[in-house]
Amino acid sequence: QQQVKQSPQSLIVQKGGISIINCAYENTAFDYFPWYQQFPGKGPALLIAIRPDVSEKKEGRFTISFNKSAKQFSLHIMDSQPGDSATYFCAAQNSGGGADGLTFGKGTHLIIQP
Amino acid sequence: ETGVTQSPTHLIKTRGQQVTLRCSSQSGHNTVSWYQQALGQGPQFIFQYYREEENGRGNFPPRFSGLQFPNYSSELNVNALELDDSALYLCASSFSASGSYEQYFGPGTRLTVT
Repeated sequence: QQQVKQSPQSLIVQKGGISIINCAYENTAFDYFPWYQQFPGKGPALLIAIRPDVSEKKEGRFTISFNKSAKQFSLHIMDSQPGDSATYFCAAQNSGGGADGLTFGKGTHLIIQP
Repeated sequence: ETGVTQSPTHLIKTRGQQVTLRCSSQSGHNTVSWYQQALGQGPQFIFQYYREEENGRGNFPPRFSGLQFPNYSSELNVNALELDDSALYLCASSFSASGSYEQYFGPGTRLTVT
């Protein structure tokens, strides 16, 4: 059972455009939602994270939008740059469980065209 | 501040053999989690170690085991290797098993089972 569904699988955006990646979750116990960026041959790097007590969080060009009732959250990358080309993973965790670990989506391969 | 380090970088083993992977947590972190990332997939949670004990486990068989040492470094052991164990094994450290959930990943160990 896939608890976090991520879309699209791949995405091509022109330089300067907005990249949008969406995730949906099923487990209502999830209360921590991070996004990770992964380059080939590297480990995932934490980009930005949100908890369900807020509907939006912005850090630089990266914004998370969160819809608790719909059980959906999304990553927006503003002014997308070629250096943003990577695989992006959404994840979710039940913080009350403590040791449940992160549940990841399957990833989105983002390509920013110059 | 030293980040998460893992060794070795790459490893080739034969089916049926045993393997040990190592991880040093980020300075100040006392919790280590291990993940398996198959090619083209998101990481899957194997288990977490806190205070030298396993305190959470994903859907992995007992032949996946681990240790955490007093300096918070950790080992992942896999017995009776199978071809499907070929993957990138990621270690992530965090400040605590509860309260703060920011997990920082190492570069991973690429395991190939032939």
